[in-house]
Amino acid sequence: EAQVTQNPRYLITVTGKKLTVTCSQNMNHEYMSWYRQDPGLGLRQIYYSMNVEVTDKGDVPEGYKVSRKEKRNFPLILESPSPNQTSLYFCASSLGDPLSYEQYFGPGTRLTVT
Amino acid sequence: AQSVTQLGSHVSVSEGALVLLRCNYSSSVPPYLFWYVQYPNQGLQLLLKYTTGATLVKGINGFEAEFKKSETSFHLTKPSAHMSDAAEYFCAVRMGSARQLTFGSGTQLTVLP
Repeated sequence: EAQVTQNPRYLITVTGKKLTVTCSQNMNHEYMSWYRQDPGLGLRQIYYSMNVEVTDKGDVPEGYKVSRKEKRNFPLILESPSPNQTSLYFCASSLGDPLSYEQYFGPGTRLTVT
Repeated sequence: AQSVTQLGSHVSVSEGALVLLRCNYSSSVPPYLFWYVQYPNQGLQLLLKYTTGATLVKGINGFEAEFKKSETSFHLTKPSAHMSDAAEYFCAVRMGSARQLTFGSGTQLTVLP
C-alpha cells in the first residue's frame, strides 16, 4: 500500500531533550516536506526537500533540522525542543513539485514539550 | 501582505443542504489554488486544484470550486451535504513565484442530522 508513515504518532518530552520524528514514504517520491499545524494558523511549512541531499527552509524553520540521505526518508530533528514547538506535525511527499503533483500526507505526530 | 483567508472557522449545515466554504486570497501573480480535506485523526487529502484553464474545478466526493479572479476567491461548494463530509477543510495558495503552498487557517465543517 502506498503510504507515508511517521513515528512516533504521539510524543511527550521535556524542554531541551533532543528528539527525532521519522518520516518514510514508499512511493519513490522526489519531494518531501514537513509541516506543523496549530489551531487558527493552518499548516505552515518547516522544511522541504526536492531530492536526496537537497533541502531548503520553509516558512518556520527555526529550531528544526532535517536531512535527506535516502530518497524514502526525511527525518525531522529538534535539537533542543521548547514549549512553543508543541504542535501537530505532518510529513508529506509528492512525485515532484507540489504545485504540479498531489501531496500525500502522513497521519501526523502530536508533540508536547513541557 | 499576501495572504489566504478562510471566512468562518466553523460552519454547520444540515444533511442534504448546500455546503459553501469560503476562501479569498491575495496574490500579485496568477495563483495556483487548492482545497484539502482533513478527516479526524488523519493527514490532509487533496480535494481539488486550479492551476490554469477552466475556472470551475470538480473534485472528489462531489465537491467543486470556482476561481473568480475579479473577486480573488476560490470558494468550495457541494450541493448536498452528507454526514461523511464532516471534517476540516483547508484552502491553499501558491503565493507569487513561490514553489510552496500557503495554507489558510482552516474551516471545520459540521453536518447536522
